[in-house]
Amino acid sequence: SAVISQKPSRDICQRGTSLTIQCQVDSQVTMMFWYRQQPGQSLTLIATANQGSEATYESGFVIDKFPISRPNLTFSTLTVSNMSPEDSSIYLCSVETQTDRTLYEQYFGPGTRLTVT
Amino acid sequence: ELKVEQNPLFLSMQEGKNYTIYCNYSTTSDRLYWYRQDPGKSLESLFVLLSNGAVKQEGRLMASLDTKARLSTLHITAAVHDLSATYFCAVQETSGSRLTFGEGTQLTVNP
Repeated sequence: SAVISQKPSRDICQRGTSLTIQCQVDSQVTMMFWYRQQPGQSLTLIATANQGSEATYESGFVIDKFPISRPNLTFSTLTVSNMSPEDSSIYLCSVETQTDRTLYEQYFGPGTRLTVT
Repeated sequence: ELKVEQNPLFLSMQEGKNYTIYCNYSTTSDRLYWYRQDPGKSLESLFVLLSNGAVKQEGRLMASLDTKARLSTLHITAAVHDLSATYFCAVQETSGSRLTFGEGTQLTVNP
């Protein structure tokens, strides 16, 4: 498995501001993802964070609103820009790691709980 | 577009009873995950199911996969209060690709 940490664990922000969330993994991983979980909802993928190139965004999510960096194989950041109350969610970093010769699994970080007022 | 549906969405059961949560998905996939989420917490990986007929068990939980029917089940045996949580199934079309999640099943086990 992988040990994933996220900072901050929670924050309360004012509308119109931006917040950058960090995700750190204890080992090198190829695949890193950012998900959003709105209150009482399931998880939705925002984007795949690609090392050395631009992130791949899902339908409904754009780079201007959610810029992502992936400078190396153990670290990524997600910025939530120009926030509105609708951005209040839990943001989760996820990685895919190889657990044995044939098995890959996806693990999730502890999440960042964001409240926008 | 891959769609994943769980039912029931809400389940209230008594301790000691058995029940099954169902997860249907719309296209062929490489693997299926079951996760548990406690309130205010992240997701804990329970099972990864890779092939048709796969069955995995951990304690009072048993997961199975029928790829022909595009159906996975999570069976709870003799439920205890500690199993109260939200359970998600998630389907991955190919290795390295995103997970598509079901809506989640909020399970409450009453003493």
